[in-house]
Amino acid sequence: QVKLQQSGAELVKPGASVKLSCKTSGYTFSTSYMSWFKQIPGQSIEWIGMIYAGDGGTGYNQKFKGKATLTVDTSSSTAYMDLSSLTTEDSAVYFCARTPGGPWGQGTLVTVSS
Amino acid sequence: ETVMTQSPTSMSTSIGERVTLNCKASQSVGINVDWYQQTPGQSPKLLIYGASNRHTGVPDRFTGSGFGRDFTLTISNMEAEDLAVYYCLQYGSIPWTFGGGTKLELK
Repeated sequence: QVKLQQSGAELVKPGASVKLSCKTSGYTFSTSYMSWFKQIPGQSIEWIGMIYAGDGGTGYNQKFKGKATLTVDTSSSTAYMDLSSLTTEDSAVYFCARTPGGPWGQGTLVTVSS
Repeated sequence: ETVMTQSPTSMSTSIGERVTLNCKASQSVGINVDWYQQTPGQSPKLLIYGASNRHTGVPDRFTGSGFGRDFTLTISNMEAEDLAVYYCLQYGSIPWTFGGGTKLELK
């Protein structure tokens, strides 16, 4: 059974950075793609970018270049997303999802507040 | 970027009803459209990929169709568990973009 387990909720101060994780199981991580998405509660979803675990190759939504950095650790079958220079506009739920076909992780709520 | 416009934004439905949700792309995306279902507090679940292919385990009352700019998700026989927000996603061009969603509610 394919599972994606995301790290817990984060409360961070403006200007800080945070690293979110997405630990996978049940499939061959190293030959798969992982996408990341942002959803402000009550709103639609935005695609942040995608990473190929085989070689770490990435593709980003231009809107999130400089904000999000995607990486993987194939030894632990885990994908990561670093979010930098956080502002209140970055407060949202962030999802990882195996691409294509899913599933999606349960989401990580990031709250940026002083 | 490709803008995906969903209609209606919300719909009041009845159990057993046939429901049609629409998604229109600002430019052609071929068949590169998925449909997702999201219930409150949950992550989105893939229903349809490639415009018309039902994902594994999705009931056959869900049908997707369309090509180019116009796409449709039909629920042939609405059930209570189908009350949710539905999103279309295009991946025909970068950046991938979602529609604003259609919320299905009970009359």
